[in-house]
Amino acid sequence: GENVEQHPSTLSVQEGDSAVIKCTYSDSASNYFPWYKQELGKGPQLIIDIRSNVGEKKDQRIAVTLNKTAKHFSLHITETQPEDSAVYFCAASRGVRLTGGGNKLTFGTGTQLKVEL
Amino acid sequence: DGGITQSPKYLFRKEGQNVTLSCEQNLNHDAMYWYRQDPGQGLRLIYYSQIVNDFQKGDIAEGYSVSREKKESFPLTVTSAQKNPTAFYLCASSMKGADTQYFGPGTRLTVL
Repeated sequence: GENVEQHPSTLSVQEGDSAVIKCTYSDSASNYFPWYKQELGKGPQLIIDIRSNVGEKKDQRIAVTLNKTAKHFSLHITETQPEDSAVYFCAASRGVRLTGGGNKLTFGTGTQLKVEL
Repeated sequence: DGGITQSPKYLFRKEGQNVTLSCEQNLNHDAMYWYRQDPGQGLRLIYYSQIVNDFQKGDIAEGYSVSREKKESFPLTVTSAQKNPTAFYLCASSMKGADTQYFGPGTRLTVL
């Protein structure tokens, strides 16, 4: 099955700096890679996702890059703000189209991001 | 107000008791999922259902059971056979044929 590794486990940055979180996956058939943000005591919220047919996707201060050959993808947050402080999870799956059924996501272990004033 | 609701937010049970966690969605989503989250770990899939009256085991189904009698509801029962039931339980749903999953607020279960 799929295995997703995520680094670092904790990340502390100064407000306004950039933050980068990296994930690697093992299943070469995976083609869907979402990123979730989870605040304390709440459910994860999808912040951005990417599919294997593109190498990069941006949404304002957030971007995700994907290297299919190396099987790794990264989350980039620019101009960090205190409200960016949360736990971020990456995930990977083969997607519904490939499996013909439910989308079984495999998650990384999370990165605790702290944005300091 | 559309979304996924999970109740209760906090649940306490004595060891050896079965307990059922509720998950309801009014998004008209076909697929629903249950995940378990432990400190320092990612989310792990317990069960998922693509349509009413059908569900499949995830990676850690032992000690859990589910039902899908209605499209909008996917309750999870944590049985006494689950050795370490204390965890944060998250329900998610997605549209038919879509990869994006949306999560509920979660239920924190503590077994005393």
